[in-house]
Amino acid sequence: GAVVSQHPSWVICKSGTSVKIECRSLDFQATTMFWYRQFPKQSLMLMATSNEGSKATYEQGVEKDKFLINHASLTLSTLTVTSAHPEDSSFYICSATGFGANVLTFGAGSRLTVL
Amino acid sequence: GEDVEQSLFLSVREGDSSVINCTYTDSSSTYLYWYKQEPGAGLQLLTYIFSNMDMKQDQRLTVLLNKKDKHLSLRIADTQTGDSAIYFCAESENNDMRFGAGTRLTVKP
Repeated sequence: GAVVSQHPSWVICKSGTSVKIECRSLDFQATTMFWYRQFPKQSLMLMATSNEGSKATYEQGVEKDKFLINHASLTLSTLTVTSAHPEDSSFYICSATGFGANVLTFGAGSRLTVL
Repeated sequence: GEDVEQSLFLSVREGDSSVINCTYTDSSSTYLYWYKQEPGAGLQLLTYIFSNMDMKQDQRLTVLLNKKDKHLSLRIADTQTGDSAIYFCAESENNDMRFGAGTRLTVKP
């Protein structure tokens, strides 16, 4: 079946630094990828939708200059949290769909802790 | 906006059946999903159902959909301690997906 890999699983960084999270579709072409954020004990919040080769569409309230999303190929999307602060600490999950994937497939998530 | 609602907690004894309920408001939903999230992990797709179906069974899992009432349920037969997790209901039209807040299932020995 369709597999989505996220890397890194865990990342700890200092306040003010930037962190990149990768989301890869391993066995299908992901025409569309989604990025979600999950706060403790809360549901997922969609941050943005990215279509391969296009600019990402951000949900209301999500700063596009803060959360840079790149989807330059059919197998890779990246989320860069720029100038991270402790309030950006969260669990970030990507999902993907496209050719060869019948349903939305999720990555395992990346836990970001900003000190 | 469109909402997906589910109760936050469910506790059952090992061996009993668990039923997790979900209601949604978007009448144009095409797919409805159940995801499982274990502590510290991402989401695992358990099962999904097309909106033109009313039931789907997959081993210990039974999904019931009442489209008229916009009610979705997940029944887990012979619940085991390994089933303890958070279960998310989600609905989508095309790729626009909306999640419930998740139901934390606790299975007691």
